[in-house]
Amino acid sequence: QSVLTQPPSVSGAPGQRVTISCTGRSSNIGAGYDVFWYLQLPGTAPKLLIYGNNNRPSGVPDRFSVSKSGTSASLAITGLQADDEGDYYCQSYDSSVIGSRVFGTGTKVTVL
Amino acid sequence: EVQLVESGGGLKHPGGSLRLSCAASGFTFSDYSMNWVRQAPGKGLEWLSYITSSSRNIYYADSVKGRFTISRDNAKNSLYLQMNSLRAEDTAVYYCARDFTGLRSSGFDIWGQGTMVTVSS
Repeated sequence: QSVLTQPPSVSGAPGQRVTISCTGRSSNIGAGYDVFWYLQLPGTAPKLLIYGNNNRPSGVPDRFSVSKSGTSASLAITGLQADDEGDYYCQSYDSSVIGSRVFGTGTKVTVL
Repeated sequence: EVQLVESGGGLKHPGGSLRLSCAASGFTFSDYSMNWVRQAPGKGLEWLSYITSSSRNIYYADSVKGRFTISRDNAKNSLYLQMNSLRAEDTAVYYCARDFTGLRSSGFDIWGQGTMVTVSS
């Protein structure tokens, strides 16, 4: 039931820059709701990575940055590191159903 | 340390019921709205339900509406999910997650480690 669409996978060599897109609709990203990004390392719970206008929880490096345009958002990872490998999910609020939070389909990042 | 710990998962037959719990610590539980999110094996994340700090407002995803009930006990710093009429497709890891809401923001800033629910005959 994912409403936000992400590429299934992206990969890059250590030190490179990769981006993950998140495409939504006029009722979520396009309506101006903030996009949240989570990283799920293998076998662990998701963790909040970044949200809104490049707001990062304590401990998250500024190698992670986000942008948004229209009904889409993107997460960029610069200086790719081995421990960045995992599943990344975008998430936003969707006004089409009251109270509804919606996730992206998820993107697996592989460090070559 | 801010922490959420889920419990209550297990193996259930289709049609059965199960009650999940989430114990909160390290923050003032009664100040925060809370959520349940699940992840089927090998699949993505799915938001299930939301409850405000006072339990005044409650919302559900269509996939569980009428079968699952979210509740909380602020005196016990606990969140619950009563799951009835379980189906095979409810098999998943269930996470509780603290809500993070701003003017145009609705996300999850703290997650528990998850509890596995398996529905099978």
